[in-house]
Amino acid sequence: QLALTQSPSASASLGASVKLTCILSSGHSNYAIAWHQQRPGKGPRYLMKLKSDGSHTKGDGIPNRFSGSSSGAERYLTISSLQSEDEAEYYCQTWANGIHVFGGGTKLTVL
Amino acid sequence: QVQSVQSGAEVKKPGASVKVSCKPYGDTFNSYYLHWVRQAPGLGLEWMGIIKPSDGSTFYAQKFQGRVTMTSDTPTRSVYMELSRLRSEDTAVYYCATSGYYSNDAFDVWGQGTMVTVSS
Repeated sequence: QLALTQSPSASASLGASVKLTCILSSGHSNYAIAWHQQRPGKGPRYLMKLKSDGSHTKGDGIPNRFSGSSSGAERYLTISSLQSEDEAEYYCQTWANGIHVFGGGTKLTVL
Repeated sequence: QVQSVQSGAEVKKPGASVKVSCKPYGDTFNSYYLHWVRQAPGLGLEWMGIIKPSDGSTFYAQKFQGRVTMTSDTPTRSVYMELSRLRSEDTAVYYCATSGYYSNDAFDVWGQGTMVTVSS
């Protein structure tokens, strides 16, 4: 069954970098995903679509500080030069045969 | 940040129905697919289903089949999601989101969300 696994929380210091992970379920390691950011009290915002080869397409206005990469069934979101505004929940999303699923989200705290 | 525009907050009693509207961003009505996603308080995102506004074809998540109806209205370029037989667990923010030209793709534009509260 198609599913995504994310760690519930992560933290990093202001100005540092952080790498968030989203893991595809067994048998789905070649699937593309999308990353979305949800700041406190706000709706989700599309960050990027990330393919299994690591190529990614970012949404309009997404800073260069946000990048994606892939390894096997793992999909990563790296945020460099962390800013206070990056403190948010980050969700991954994938899809197959018309069905869409989300990971449980990772709450990122900027220290 | 571009957004689709949704209708305002609703308060409903258990057993009632709610209908939420979404006006997709830009000139996307006749070419894009539109999804509905909900988020209960303090919880994650849950996909509910998809509609192709140009022809009204739909596909619903199994969990919501029989209770959800998604429709489109070409003259007003609006899409609607109606959820019936409401219960307290349906209290959530409901979002519309587009996935471009393909039903199987990333959600690249979201609505601002509509809070639906189910309470007696």
